[in-house]
Amino acid sequence: AQSVAQPEDQVNVAEGNPLTVKCTYSVSGNPYLFWYVQYPNRGLQFLLKYITGDNLVKGSYGFEAEFNKSQTSFHLKKPSALVSDSALYFCAVRDLNNAGNMLTFGGGTRLMVKP
Amino acid sequence: SQTIHQWPATLVQPVGSPLSLECTVEGTSNPNLYWYRQAAGRGLQLLFYSVGIGQISSEVPQNLSASRPQDRQFILSSKKLLLSDSGFYLCAWSVLRGEQYFGAGTRLSVL
Repeated sequence: AQSVAQPEDQVNVAEGNPLTVKCTYSVSGNPYLFWYVQYPNRGLQFLLKYITGDNLVKGSYGFEAEFNKSQTSFHLKKPSALVSDSALYFCAVRDLNNAGNMLTFGGGTRLMVKP
Repeated sequence: SQTIHQWPATLVQPVGSPLSLECTVEGTSNPNLYWYRQAAGRGLQLLFYSVGIGQISSEVPQNLSASRPQDRQFILSSKKLLLSDSGFYLCAWSVLRGEQYFGAGTRLSVL
């Protein structure tokens, strides 16, 4: 069975500093990996995905993520954090054998960016 | 472009009352559709998914049911709400092997 772990419930970073939100996964075969952001009382917004190809994936709002197959990780990064980046972030994985295109989500990491 | 509509945004219902939440998608055909519940602003629990009209798969046994009467319409229902049905309900759609896109959500409070 596939699984996703986000080991940090919360990440605190000062505005202007780089940020990293960690994600590790477990899946049979090659994974499709996704990051989503959720603002309070809103739906999830798609940020970026890794399907194949370059291990560094660039997405919306200046975010990027690095796929590391040997470490089974897909950490979300941004070179310079903004206060407006404060939100709940979810990592998700899709097993290629999943006929319903279902995703398994991590438990979420709350990012707090302090001015 | 594709859009997803979910309503109502908030709902307060008494215990034992029925429920109907609706979700519609525009700008795509034959999408996969999903209902999730999110408790306490954290993890998502997949409730139902559908790969076509009339095709519903349930991920967890519970007090809820889902229906897909039209290609781009997905409805979440209950005959009698329980206190434990309170939560934030999210509808989503995807195309095959693509990312999922979410609606704005419905905050359900059962009192």
